[in-house]
Amino acid sequence: GQNIDQPTEMTATEGAIVQINCTYQTSGFNGLFWYQQHAGEAPTFLSYNVLDGLEEKGRFSSFLSRSKGYSYLLLKELQMKDSASYLCAVGDSNYQLIWGAGTKLIIKP
Amino acid sequence: IAGITQAPTSQILAAGRRMTLRCTQDMRHNAMYWYRQDLGLGLRLIHYSNTAGTTGKGEVPDGYSVSRANTDDFPLTLASAVPSQTSVYFCASSASGLAGAGELFFGEGSRLTVL
Repeated sequence: GQNIDQPTEMTATEGAIVQINCTYQTSGFNGLFWYQQHAGEAPTFLSYNVLDGLEEKGRFSSFLSRSKGYSYLLLKELQMKDSASYLCAVGDSNYQLIWGAGTKLIIKP
Repeated sequence: IAGITQAPTSQILAAGRRMTLRCTQDMRHNAMYWYRQDLGLGLRLIHYSNTAGTTGKGEVPDGYSVSRANTDDFPLTLASAVPSQTSVYFCASSASGLAGAGELFFGEGSRLTVL
């Protein structure tokens, strides 16, 4: 079966760095996405990785290792507004998205 | 620019009733999707449409139907609602006809409670 695993919840301190991991097992691979979802709101796109390595976009970076079926989202200089759920999703061989359940990130002052 | 508009935002519905969730996009995207989001589970695809005039079944299509008469609108109908359909429903669109090939844009969601 197809499966995306990510931690249910993480806590971090304002100004610090946090890494949210995602492991996947899918039939085929056509890219890995990270989305941010604030409570009661719609998911919004953060990043897309299709090749191995690190993609940096401001305070957020996303890493992919296709051989390990592994990705992480790195958030630097955490701000209170970063409190949200972070969703990992993988495009399978049919370009259908398989979604993880999301990681709820709690930022403490 | 509105992006994707969903209606209603929230609805309480008696079991057995028919309900249509509306979704309209103004980005001229080819593909549109309906997902449901339940606590502890990832987004699950109900139905999708790669282009106007075509639709397809997703992971959890039973009890739902869709139509895509034009590019902009993609309504989701529950023919006879059941309590297990209590969920938050998100409509989404993408420029590409393949969900896993590009960014998805989501509506604000419709919270449906079936009693």
